[in-house]
Amino acid sequence: NAGVTQTPKFRVLKTGQSMTLLCAQDMNHEYMYWYRQDPGMGLRLIHYSVGEGTTAKGEVPDGYNVSRLKKQNFLLGLESAAPSQTSVYFCASSYPGRYTFGSGTRLTVV
Amino acid sequence: EDKVVQSPLSLVVHEGDTVTLNCSYEVTNFRSLLWYKQEKKAPTFLFMLTSSGIEKKSGRLSSILDKKELSSILNITATQTGDSAIYLCAGVKQGKVGAGSYQLTFGKGTKLSVIP
Repeated sequence: NAGVTQTPKFRVLKTGQSMTLLCAQDMNHEYMYWYRQDPGMGLRLIHYSVGEGTTAKGEVPDGYNVSRLKKQNFLLGLESAAPSQTSVYFCASSYPGRYTFGSGTRLTVV
Repeated sequence: EDKVVQSPLSLVVHEGDTVTLNCSYEVTNFRSLLWYKQEKKAPTFLFMLTSSGIEKKSGRLSSILDKKELSSILNITATQTGDSAIYLCAGVKQGKVGAGSYQLTFGKGTKLSVIP
């Protein structure tokens, strides 16, 4: 019963490098979300998806792209990482009204 | 713009104390309010509250929503060191894309420290 799994758990990038964060859920949830959490800022929504093949922008989408090619996976991409993207990233999936979060990815951009 | 404000931002209490954490919200198309406990990793779900005003309880924790005041409180009685965490509340709204999509707006959290 894995729930929501994020990989990797930690990563250090150099400015300008690209990477993809993977989120996988085994609960057959339609809805998936990517958040970032910064000190003193709470959790802020980056992008979300309401089903396979559909995505939408959240509160802070700039500098990120997402894809939902399979229902169970939601990918978050950084094409050209910037120090401002240093953060902890959380993926979540939901059925109406209740979210399940992954354990997070700590990303540092130097 | 939707807004969720939590207070206090941090709190230090002694074991055995009772604490009340506050959350006020301004969320369009409001559906419900969620409380989470976050220790070192992912937030873990505590309660979901709706405008029905029904109090939720789980052990030493309880929470209720006041729909007139657009606020909620989370009470923890007889606190223990294991209650030390960041407590997050989030307003849930109907999302723009998809009839069943829900978006959360989080507060900044209350950091609770319980000392022996």
